[in-house]
Amino acid sequence: DAKTTQPNSMESNEEEPVHLPCNHSTISGTDYIHWYRQLPSQGPEYVIHGLTSNVNNRMASLAIAEDRKSSTLILHRATLRDAAVYYCILRDDKIIFGKGTRLHILP
Amino acid sequence: GAVVSQHPSRVICKSGTSVKIECRSLDFQATTMFWYRQFPKKSLMLMATSNEGSKATYEQGVEKDKFLINHASLTLSTLTVTSAHPEDSSFYICSARGPHKRAYEQYFGPGTRLTVT
Repeated sequence: DAKTTQPNSMESNEEEPVHLPCNHSTISGTDYIHWYRQLPSQGPEYVIHGLTSNVNNRMASLAIAEDRKSSTLILHRATLRDAAVYYCILRDDKIIFGKGTRLHILP
Repeated sequence: GAVVSQHPSRVICKSGTSVKIECRSLDFQATTMFWYRQFPKKSLMLMATSNEGSKATYEQGVEKDKFLINHASLTLSTLTVTSAHPEDSSFYICSARGPHKRAYEQYFGPGTRLTVT
C-alpha cells in the first residue's frame, strides 16, 4: 500500500490561507488522493478528492503535483471552525487513517 | 452529503456487561459498513469491515468474539462490546459506504463514547 506523510501539526491565523501538504511518493497510477478531516469529538468528514488535476469545491482546493508524488490541501480563508485533524488518504477500498495533521487556528 | 447516525452517542456501563452500538445509514443503502475505535489524542483505528448479509472481516489484533458485528440490513449495523472492561473505554465510530466502493463515498457517523466503569 502506498504510504502518506504529513506534518504532525500546523498553525495558521484566522482568515489566512492554509496549505496542508501530503507526500505520497509511492502512489500508484490509479490511486485517488482523498482528504478527510475530523473536528473535535466528531466523526471524520470528507473534504475533497482528486486523481491528477487540481480540484476545487466549496470547502477547499486540492493541488496535485504533476508527478503525483505530493499534494496540498488549500483552505483559502481559515476560520476557527477549520481547527481539526486533516488526513490525506490513498486507499479506496477501506479508509485507513494515519496520524494526520492537527491544524490550529489562531484568532 | 449522506447521513449516518449512531446510537447512543454516549454510554456508561459496568465492567462485565455488554453494550450494543447501532449505526444507521439514513438516506442511502450501505452495502459496506466499517467500525473504528479512537483513543484520546490518537488516530482512528479500523476494527472491522462488514458487508450486508455476510460475516464481518476483522483487522489483525481485533478480537472478533469480543466485538460482535452484525450487518443484517442495508441500513443498519450493530457493534456489541461483550464483557466490557475499562480498557474498552473509547470513542467508537462507524462509517457506511454505498455500492460504488470509492473512499469519497464513505460517510462517517458522529461517534459513540463508551465509558466502562
